[in-house]
Amino acid sequence: AQSVAQPEDQVNVAEGNPLTVKCTYSVSGNPYLFWYVQYPNRGLQFLLKYITGDNLVKGSYGFEAEFNKSQTSFHLKKPSALVSDSALYFCAVRDLSSGSARQLTFGSGTQLTVLP
Amino acid sequence: DTAVSQTPKYLVTQMGNDKSIKCEQNLGHDTMYWYKQDSKKFLKIMFSYNNKELIINETVPNRFSPKSPDKAHLNLHINSLELGDSAVYFCASSRGGPSGSQETQYFGPGTRLLVL
Repeated sequence: AQSVAQPEDQVNVAEGNPLTVKCTYSVSGNPYLFWYVQYPNRGLQFLLKYITGDNLVKGSYGFEAEFNKSQTSFHLKKPSALVSDSALYFCAVRDLSSGSARQLTFGSGTQLTVLP
Repeated sequence: DTAVSQTPKYLVTQMGNDKSIKCEQNLGHDTMYWYKQDSKKFLKIMFSYNNKELIINETVPNRFSPKSPDKAHLNLHINSLELGDSAVYFCASSRGGPSGSQETQYFGPGTRLLVL
């Protein structure tokens, strides 16, 4: 079975400061990992994904995430936060060894608030 | 030129009614999905279709029936609506068939269903 955990319901950071949104996962085999962002009353927008290769993945809007296999983590980061980054962030995982390999399992979401 | 569109955007209805939500994607994708997002923002897969064939069917009451007239459309029909069905329903699509595990899912704007 595959699962993903986002241990923080809420993250607050001052504008201009670096931000981190945490994600850990559990899979039987190799994971595909995704980050999505949801703005109020909107659908989810894709930010970035890790499939294979370089552990540091760069995505949209200056976000990046680092795949750490030993810690089973895929934390989302940005060097300098903007007020407009305030949104709900979802981590998601797909286990390649699972029988339902197409099924994406989402974390519970982390509300990021960037304070001016 | 919206990639994944859903109608209606808002749906308010009485308990016991039957309603449908429509989804269309113009991305040429082969796989489409329905997700339910509850009041705590938890996102869970309901169904997935690949080329009009059902490939994921999570534990969902049989009052919910997806219908895919062609690979660009995946509609969701709900019979005998209950209070607990109130949620935001998201449609999504992705490229590739059964082996398309790495493909990104693209989400529609959501349909906000309120059952009174």
